[in-house]
Amino acid sequence: AQTVTQSQPEMSVQEAETVTLSCTYDTSESDYYLFWYKQPPSRQMILVIRQEAYKQQNATENRFSVNFQKAAKSFSLKISDSQLGDAAMYFCAYRSASNYQLIWGAGTKLIIKP
Amino acid sequence: ETGVTQTPRHLVMGMTNKKSLKCEQHLGHNAMYWYKQSAKKPLELMFVYNFKEQTENNSVPSRFSPECPNSSHLFLHLHTLQPEDSALYLCASSQDEGRTSGEETQYFGPGTRLLVL
Repeated sequence: AQTVTQSQPEMSVQEAETVTLSCTYDTSESDYYLFWYKQPPSRQMILVIRQEAYKQQNATENRFSVNFQKAAKSFSLKISDSQLGDAAMYFCAYRSASNYQLIWGAGTKLIIKP
Repeated sequence: ETGVTQTPRHLVMGMTNKKSLKCEQHLGHNAMYWYKQSAKKPLELMFVYNFKEQTENNSVPSRFSPECPNSSHLFLHLHTLQPEDSALYLCASSQDEGRTSGEETQYFGPGTRLLVL
């Protein structure tokens, strides 16, 4: 069975600095998708970034980028120039290409210090 | 109009009450999902509907009863709940289940915070 592990329950970063959230996963499949979702205090789960496993190039979305290491089964999220609005719970999720079910990590609470 | 809406945002109910949660998506999607989010636990998938047909019931107790009258609306009917059912209930939608197409991203509503007394 697939699992997703987020080893950092909480992280803090100074505003305008860079922070990296870690995520590792376990799967025997070769074709899958990985996601980072953000859940601010408003509770809306918002898609931050998505990575297709068959793509070697790391996905980027403005200040958000991933470091996807397929062999190591690692999928970390880097947030550059952190802003107060980035404060939220961040969830890593895995999805097989042949199954709609998302496997979720336990989340990392990101605190932004002004 | 935001993509996925949920009502009510907050709900307090007694164990003998009957209530319903509503979800509506305005994205033209065909698949809809109910999740339960409890403190310090990963999200738990409860139900999946694709083209109005239930395709997944993830061993959810019968006191939770889903209804999907069309591809845009999803309900979760609640009756005789237990205090341990208190949680955030999230609705999501995607283009379809993505069993064959692959990368169907799920988009979430704001959730209903449920407290069972």
